[in-house]
Amino acid sequence: GAGVSQSPSNKVTEKGKDVELRCDPISGHTALYWYRQSLGQGLEFLIYFQGNSAPDKSGLPSDRFSAERTGGSVSTLTIQRTQQEDSAVYLCASSLVGGGGNTIYFGEGSWLTVV
Amino acid sequence: GENVEQHPSTLSVQEGDSAVIKCTYSDSASNYFPWYKQELGKRPQLIIDIRSNVGEKKDQRIAVTLNKTAKHFSLHITETQPEDSAVYFCAAITPHMSNFGNEKLTFGTGTRLTIIP
Repeated sequence: GAGVSQSPSNKVTEKGKDVELRCDPISGHTALYWYRQSLGQGLEFLIYFQGNSAPDKSGLPSDRFSAERTGGSVSTLTIQRTQQEDSAVYLCASSLVGGGGNTIYFGEGSWLTVV
Repeated sequence: GENVEQHPSTLSVQEGDSAVIKCTYSDSASNYFPWYKQELGKRPQLIIDIRSNVGEKKDQRIAVTLNKTAKHFSLHITETQPEDSAVYFCAAITPHMSNFGNEKLTFGTGTRLTIIP
């Protein structure tokens, strides 16, 4: 596709339910990032993939959060037993390669509301 | 890990005046510094970036300066216009030489810029 695609764009879920957020990076991009942005706040790093591997998982807020990437392309961020504090926009981004110096493009985000 | 601080958190300038946003970083190994603009409800979009081997870069009304010794970089917007109103984020990438590609983009906390007509 032309840009980073995320789905769903909006998700309302009940507290305690699991949710899956999907990111389809720009074709050929090997580096993929997940960030979380609470309302009016900055961008909180969650996880980074280079290919299928995630060398840095330090940003995941708790063990309820997990992410995977298969085939070096699509990534899924899973939040188990959602809590109200998980409500935020989850932004995915990709770049051609890691290592710095390559433009990082963001998707439109998945707006998650936990009620 | 890398820590990026950004100031001010809010900035209001008169249309036509200049705006300056400043960021500092902690890891001297950081080598790439992009700036993103985020309009309300939209995705962050890259507006300008600078690599560590360059001290200044300009693109029309936008310029970025980098001082590696002091570990700070700044965004300058001249002749501001109402459409410049947005939240601006600075960021830094620190590559890990022992594991190519093992790095993350660390963002500053953002500056809400308001241009007063």
